[in-house]
Amino acid sequence: GAVVSQHPSRVICKSGTSVKIECRSLDFQATTMFWYRQFPKQSLMLMATSNEGSKATYEQGVEKDKFLINHASLTLSTLTVTSAHPEDSSFYICSARSGQGFTDTQYFGPGTRLTVL
Amino acid sequence: DAKTTQPPSMDCAEGRAANLPCNHSTISGNEYVYWYRQIHSQGPQYIIHGLKNNETNEMASLIITEDRKSSTLILPHATLRDTAVYYCIVRVARGGGSNYKLTFGKGTLLTVNP
Repeated sequence: GAVVSQHPSRVICKSGTSVKIECRSLDFQATTMFWYRQFPKQSLMLMATSNEGSKATYEQGVEKDKFLINHASLTLSTLTVTSAHPEDSSFYICSARSGQGFTDTQYFGPGTRLTVL
Repeated sequence: DAKTTQPPSMDCAEGRAANLPCNHSTISGNEYVYWYRQIHSQGPQYIIHGLKNNETNEMASLIITEDRKSSTLILPHATLRDTAVYYCIVRVARGGGSNYKLTFGKGTLLTVNP
């Protein structure tokens, strides 16, 4: 159980276009989802936290108007990179929070490799 | 900033146990120790977590010292597919706020050799 999927796995786009990445929790409901970004040879950096039905909370330095997050249901969150530029090329990873028992755990998707030309 | 300290790299022979240490000397009473790993170009995979008792699942064992200031992740019979970056993270179990976030440090690159 606790499977998180992302789509697409890879995307190449031209500079100035927008790209949407979907994150789904397949076998559990996730009231909270998280979006991370990872540059080559670096660790994961949290971009934002999204709660179902409410606005996302962005980490310091992350532009909310550039990285649009929608968490419309308990199993789906989307990240839209608007007006993408080459410096936005990165590995984007989502995770979903599964609450069970006394603790809960975050499960991660396989990631989306974005290349902006 | 990450609240844990891990060696940057370790090697292990295939079939042998891999013991990955983690120091978390400033851990709070309500914080758990979580372990994730990331195989190259994939999303992190949850391994195990614990509060103060030793834990074991199908993937690994987690040994937490009595003072909770350090822990060791044990992969009992390492295989080549266990080569990955292993992250030790401390975090509160539930709730919101900054204490709930998973803050990834640099982790330990475990290389399992044939």
